[in-house]
Amino acid sequence: GQQLNQSPQSMFIQEGEDVSMNCTSSSIFNTWLWYKQDPGEGPVLLIALYKAGELTSNGRLTAQFGITRKDSFLNISASIPSDVGIYFCAGHVAGGTSYGKLTFGQGTILTVHP
Amino acid sequence: NAGVMQNPRHLVRRRGQEARLRCSPVKGHSHVYWYRQLPEEGLKFMVYLQKENIIDESGMPKERFSAEFPKEGPSILRIQQVVRGDSAAYFCASSPQDPPDTQYFGPGTRLTVL
Repeated sequence: GQQLNQSPQSMFIQEGEDVSMNCTSSSIFNTWLWYKQDPGEGPVLLIALYKAGELTSNGRLTAQFGITRKDSFLNISASIPSDVGIYFCAGHVAGGTSYGKLTFGQGTILTVHP
Repeated sequence: NAGVMQNPRHLVRRRGQEARLRCSPVKGHSHVYWYRQLPEEGLKFMVYLQKENIIDESGMPKERFSAEFPKEGPSILRIQQVVRGDSAAYFCASSPQDPPDTQYFGPGTRLTVL
């Protein structure tokens, strides 16, 4: 089945630093999504990407849909303590037997030191 | 502006009992999905439903698990004769009619099987 490889697995950074994480796949996705999950809560949608090459921002967050449609990255600029959490990438394939199903990466655990 | 609602938030069952998890999608959303998350892992797709229809149940175990999304009322994920391995967080997501890829998640139900 489809798999997403997300890296790094964890990051420890100082407040104010920029953060970058990415997801790669051996197969093509039509949509890439980035979510943040706080402990004991559900994933919250941060950014959705629908076209290859698309670069989208949401405040201090920027994400890009790779040209090959097999990868995506998420950048967080000037990190703050409330950025702490687990970040997940997710991909969707339009059509076929996977229609409607999101495939998730393993997550990146972000820790921000004040 | 209510998001996806799930209840209960925490559920404790003894081995052999039934667990019933409820999900009310975002108002106006007609697509519902269930995912399972084991500790320190990403979310795994279980089932995709529309009103009164199961669209894709390829991620759901063949035995003991069932899901429904009736014409009226919440979606229900039912686990019969629970075992310790069923302990996990179960998340429901919903999306508008099109596209089904942008999914919004509820806070989850944490199931513990004693």
